[in-house]
Amino acid sequence: EDQVTQSPEALRLQEGESSSLNCSYTVSGLRGLFWYRQDPGKGPEFLFTLYSAGEEKEKERLKATLTKKESFLHITAPKPEDSATYLCAVSMTTDSWGKLQFGAGTQVVVTP
Amino acid sequence: DVKVTQSSRYLVKRTGEKVFLECVQDMDHENMFWYRQDPGLGLRLIYFSYDVKMKEKGDIPEGYSVSREKKERFSLILESASTNQTSMYLCASFDRTSYEQYFGPGTRLTVT
Repeated sequence: EDQVTQSPEALRLQEGESSSLNCSYTVSGLRGLFWYRQDPGKGPEFLFTLYSAGEEKEKERLKATLTKKESFLHITAPKPEDSATYLCAVSMTTDSWGKLQFGAGTQVVVTP
Repeated sequence: DVKVTQSSRYLVKRTGEKVFLECVQDMDHENMFWYRQDPGLGLRLIYFSYDVKMKEKGDIPEGYSVSREKKERFSLILESASTNQTSMYLCASFDRTSYEQYFGPGTRLTVT
């Protein structure tokens, strides 16, 4: 069965304390892996797309990496404004374009 | 900027009522999606559409239907609302060029 699992469920960080979020997937054929950020009461906001193992993408304090079985979202020296729920999603080659399967998310809280 | 708008941010309906949730996008995207989001379960796909008058069932279509009469508008219909349909509903639009999915702000529906 195709699955997307995120860990941990929740993460509490001190400002400046770097950490990583994990997204592991078991799918029959990966077309792409996506990271989103979601603030409370809002829709998810696109961050990154990764297509192949070894690929990395960066945006400010965030860096996403991809292997054949999992993806990591590294948060370097986080600030309180990085507090959000981070969602991982996969697109499978067996699915229609744009159809995504989401993980349950990791809720990140960064305290001053 | 891509804009995806949803007709209501908050909605309270009674059991058995017919409920319409509307979504409009302004970027001429062919693909549009309806998800529901529940704590611990992540986003689950209800229905999606890849063209006007075309629709496909997602992972949890039971109790829902959709309508896509115009390219920019995708409506989700709860034929007879039930309490287990209390949830956050998110609409999304997909850009086939950038492969990004853009979300609306969500509608928090409560069925009493």
